[in-house]
Amino acid sequence: AQSVAQPEDQVNVAEGNPLTVKCTYSVSGNPYLFWYVQYPNRGLQFLLKYITGDNLVKGSYGFEAEFNKSQTSFHLKKPSALVSDSALYFCAVRDMDSSYKLIFGSGTRLLVRP
Amino acid sequence: KAGVTQTPRYLIKTRGQQVTLSCSPISGHRSVSWYQQTPGQGLQFLFEYFSETQRNKGNFPGRFSGRQFSNSRSEMNVSTLELGDSALYLCASSPEAGDTQYFGPGTRLTVL
Repeated sequence: AQSVAQPEDQVNVAEGNPLTVKCTYSVSGNPYLFWYVQYPNRGLQFLLKYITGDNLVKGSYGFEAEFNKSQTSFHLKKPSALVSDSALYFCAVRDMDSSYKLIFGSGTRLLVRP
Repeated sequence: KAGVTQTPRYLIKTRGQQVTLSCSPISGHRSVSWYQQTPGQGLQFLFEYFSETQRNKGNFPGRFSGRQFSNSRSEMNVSTLELGDSALYLCASSPEAGDTQYFGPGTRLTVL
C-alpha cells in the first residue's frame, strides 16, 4: 500500500532563512508525488509535482522539491522564507492501486517568524 | 479560469439530519474527487467521479454518497449525520483522471 510520512508536525524558521519541509514515501513502482499548501479556512493549493524526469522540481511561489529515490524522500524547500509562507503543508502520493486518489501525509505546520 | 467552487461554505446541522454539498469543477475538468479533512484523521479520500461514474470509493460508510452530472458538477450527500461527520469537505477537480487535482475552498460542516 502507498503511504507518505511527514515526520515533523511543525517547522520554525526565521524570515530570510532557507526552509525545508520533509516528506518520505512508500510506494510500489514509480511514485507520483505532490506538495500542497493550506492557508487558514482555505482549501489546498497545488505547489508542485514530481512524475518523472529531473529530480529537482520547481513550483509556485519560489518553492522547489527534491526527489531522492534512494532515500524515498521528496522534501520541499525554499531558499528564503517569507512570513507569508506560514501555513500547513501537505505531501501526497497518487495511489497507483486505486488509480487516482491522493494519499496525504499528516501535514507540517510551517511558522516563519519575522 | 475560475477555480473550483463549493457551496455552501459553511453548514450547521443536527444529528440525524442529512446534508448535500455541491462542487463545480474548473471548466473543462471531467474528474471530481471528494476528501474529508478532520484534525484527528487528516485528509481522507471519499470518492472520485469521472464522466458521471463513480470509479473509486474510500473507506466510508454507506451514509456517504455522491453523484456527478453531465456538466461535471458533483454533489455529495451525507445521511443520518453523526457528530463525527463534522469536518471540512474538500472537492478537487482535474482535467482527466490521474491529472493534478485542484482543490476548492471546502465546505465546513458542523454537526451538533
